[in-house]
Amino acid sequence: DIKMTQSPSSLSASVGDRVTITCRASQGIGNSLAWFQQKPGKAPKSLIYGASSLQSGVPSNFSGSGSGTDFTLIISSLQPEDFATYYCQQHNTYPYTFGQGTKLEI
Amino acid sequence: QVQLQESGPGLVKPSQTLSLTCTVSGGSFNNYDFYWSWLRQHPGEGLEWIGYIYSSGHTYFNPALKSRLSMSVDTSKDQFSLKLSSVTAADTAVYYCARDNIRHGYSTDSWGQGILVTVSS
Repeated sequence: DIKMTQSPSSLSASVGDRVTITCRASQGIGNSLAWFQQKPGKAPKSLIYGASSLQSGVPSNFSGSGSGTDFTLIISSLQPEDFATYYCQQHNTYPYTFGQGTKLEI
Repeated sequence: QVQLQESGPGLVKPSQTLSLTCTVSGGSFNNYDFYWSWLRQHPGEGLEWIGYIYSSGHTYFNPALKSRLSMSVDTSKDQFSLKLSSVTAADTAVYYCARDNIRHGYSTDSWGQGILVTVSS
């Protein structure tokens, strides 16, 4: 299985900050990388697929980049509703695998 | 807008079979652009991909669970189902059904709200 490693595991930030979360794959996955947001007690929400394509309805302050093994999620200006846990997932090879998550706290 | 809803028992005894159903509304179930997936999240932990089923009945399962897993689809009811046999406490988790979009590189674009299944006697 492809191992996905996120950093940092947790992050403290303030409203208006620019935040960067990174994700590394144990082998090349092209651009087949997705990002999800999860709030406590809720289902994950799909944010980005194909490393940089926003899912419908996702605000433009979210962006993604990368290819091969190294990927980045950027939140350009944190809003109060953005404080959550973020997961990356490779959708290149089955079984799909996830990073361990990054908890974004105020 | 697609909606997915999991249903099934919240409590399953050890060694028994966990059975869940996902009902899809919004008109996309018979669209061949989508795979239908199951994932789970152990309490306080990360996400695990379980497997998918296509509306034709084609499946792919996580090798870690493959020997205990089966999935089925009922296109007349816009439903797909999961069965996991010989469960133990390690199968206690929130189970999610989800939609994978073939046009988006087979990535997940929609999730159900999740259902907590506890394995306990």
